[in-house]
Amino acid sequence: AQSVTQLGSHVSVSEGALVLLRCNYSSSVPPYLFWYVQYPNQGLQLLLKYTSAATLVKGINDFEAEFKKSETSFHLTKPSAHMSDAAEYFCAVSDPRSGGYQKVTFGTGTKLQVIP
Amino acid sequence: SQTIHQWPATLVQPVGSPLSLECTVEGTSNPNLYWYRQAAGRGLQLLFYSVGIGQISSEVPQNLSASRPQDRQFILSSKKLLLSDSGFYLCAWGRAGHNQPQHFGDGTRLSIL
Repeated sequence: AQSVTQLGSHVSVSEGALVLLRCNYSSSVPPYLFWYVQYPNQGLQLLLKYTSAATLVKGINDFEAEFKKSETSFHLTKPSAHMSDAAEYFCAVSDPRSGGYQKVTFGTGTKLQVIP
Repeated sequence: SQTIHQWPATLVQPVGSPLSLECTVEGTSNPNLYWYRQAAGRGLQLLFYSVGIGQISSEVPQNLSASRPQDRQFILSSKKLLLSDSGFYLCAWGRAGHNQPQHFGDGTRLSIL
């Protein structure tokens, strides 16, 4: 079975500082990995996805993530935090063996607070 | 472009009452459709998925049911709500393929009194 662990349910950074949100996965087969963002009372929006084409993946709003197989990690980073980045972030893994649908396992989320 | 609509945004229902939440997708055909429930600090739990009209699969036993009467319509229902059915319900669609992302509606906040 696949799983995702997000270290830190809450992360605080100062405006302009580096954002680092951690995600480790467990998978017996090469995984497909995703990062989503959720603003209060809204659904999840895709930030970026890893599908084995390149280990460094760039997403929207200057977010990027690096797939490291040796560390089973897919950490999300952004060079400079903006106030508008305050939200909850979810790492997710898709099981390529799940047949005709996407069986996605989501992490428990990390709430990012940006301090002015 | 594709859009997903989910309603109502909020709902307050008494215990034992019925439930019907609707989700529709526009701009694509034959999408995979999903219902999730989100609890604070616990991520998203997949409740149902559908790969075609009338095809519903349940991931967990529960008090809820789902139906897909049309290609781009997905309905979550219950005959009698329980207190434990409270939560934030999200509908999502995705294309076939395990490398495809899912696209979410804005959710329904369901409170059971």
